[in-house]
Amino acid sequence: GQQLNQSPQSMFIQEGEDVSMNCTSSSIFNTWLWYKQDPGEGPVLLIALYKAGELTSNGRLTAQFGITRKDSFLNISASIPSDVGIYFCAGRDYLGGGKLIFGQGTELSVKP
Amino acid sequence: DADVTQTPRNRITKTGKRIMLECSQTKGHDRMYWYRQDPGLGLRLIYYSFDVKDINKGEISDGYSVSRQAQAKFSLSLESAIPNQTALYFCATSDPSLGTGGYTFGSGTRLTVV
Repeated sequence: GQQLNQSPQSMFIQEGEDVSMNCTSSSIFNTWLWYKQDPGEGPVLLIALYKAGELTSNGRLTAQFGITRKDSFLNISASIPSDVGIYFCAGRDYLGGGKLIFGQGTELSVKP
Repeated sequence: DADVTQTPRNRITKTGKRIMLECSQTKGHDRMYWYRQDPGLGLRLIYYSFDVKDINKGEISDGYSVSRQAQAKFSLSLESAIPNQTALYFCATSDPSLGTGGYTFGSGTRLTVV
């Protein structure tokens, strides 16, 4: 089946630093989404991308849909302690009825 | 009240026991999903349902069964729990015709099988 490879698996950064994480796939996706999971909660949608090359921002977060449609990245600028959590990329599997395929997650730790 | 409610939030059970995890939603979405989360493996799909009469296996359905009792309710059962089913389980809903088509997740059920 389709798989997403997300990297890095974990990051330990200092408050104020910028963060970058990415997701690659062996298959083409028509939609990429990025979720954040706070400790003890379910994932919450951050950003959705619908077109190859699209660059979308949500506050300090910026995500891009790769031109090849096989990758996406998420940047977080000027990190703060509440950015701590697990970030997941997801691609929409249109051949499978539109369900989402998730990456393995990037666990972010921010030192104040 | 939360849009997607999972019960229980935490459960410890013994090997061989049957256990049911419940999910209810107030979103009015037709599509519902069960995922399990394991460290380093992300979210893996167990079962999904596109409407009350349409239930499908996901990538890791062995050892699990589901029941879609109504549009709003989708329960996951472990017929005979085993220790490697210890994980965090999430229910989610979606409506592809609305907004981003992304999923709304519940807060999860942490299951420990001893």
